[in-house]
Amino acid sequence: DGGITQSPKYLFRKEGQNVTLSCEQNLNHDAMYWYRQDPGQGLRLIYYSQIVNDFQKGDIAEGYSVSREKKESFPLTVTSAQKNPTAFYLCASSLTSATYEQYFGPGTRLTVT
Amino acid sequence: GQSLEQPSEVTAVEGAIVQINCTYQTSGFYGLSWYQQHDGGAPTFLSYNALDGLEETGRFSSFLSRSDSYGYLLLQELQMKDSASYFCAADDKIIFGKGTRLHILP
Repeated sequence: DGGITQSPKYLFRKEGQNVTLSCEQNLNHDAMYWYRQDPGQGLRLIYYSQIVNDFQKGDIAEGYSVSREKKESFPLTVTSAQKNPTAFYLCASSLTSATYEQYFGPGTRLTVT
Repeated sequence: GQSLEQPSEVTAVEGAIVQINCTYQTSGFYGLSWYQQHDGGAPTFLSYNALDGLEETGRFSSFLSRSDSYGYLLLQELQMKDSASYFCAADDKIIFGKGTRLHILP
């Protein structure tokens, strides 16, 4: 079964700690994306990667970092510099960066207290 | 700035037809996508319009007018399972609208 997995589904951290969210896909897609979703705010792009070893900032990259060392994996680190990290984080992929259809993972709900 | 505007909520009756509008303002534009998201779930792709006109996929249709910077999603024969949030999204730069929550009454 091809798809995108994100783990864990729920994550709790104390303020000041860095936390890494996992995203894995077995769709053989080149492009991967990270979004943040807050109530009433829709999806906002954090980072995206068009190909392995390459990534670009989205609209709200401050306080986040990513890596793309393997085609299948695109982990997101929420650093202590992110002022308001509590949110629902969604990872997505598309065949290429020019492909409009994105496939989303189930999301990780991060709560920082 | 770049933005997509959609109504925050729409209510319709089971079996009826509902239209969810989206107006966009973007510096670059290739096309308009629509996604459905149930509460707590992942968005799923519904349709995409690159050219003006209507695209039909089963009970769902989507329309685009580039000259008006406007599109809509049309849902026919509404079912209770269609209760969800619907997002329009524009590319080249990936921008999502804030979503329209569709309430369906029995």
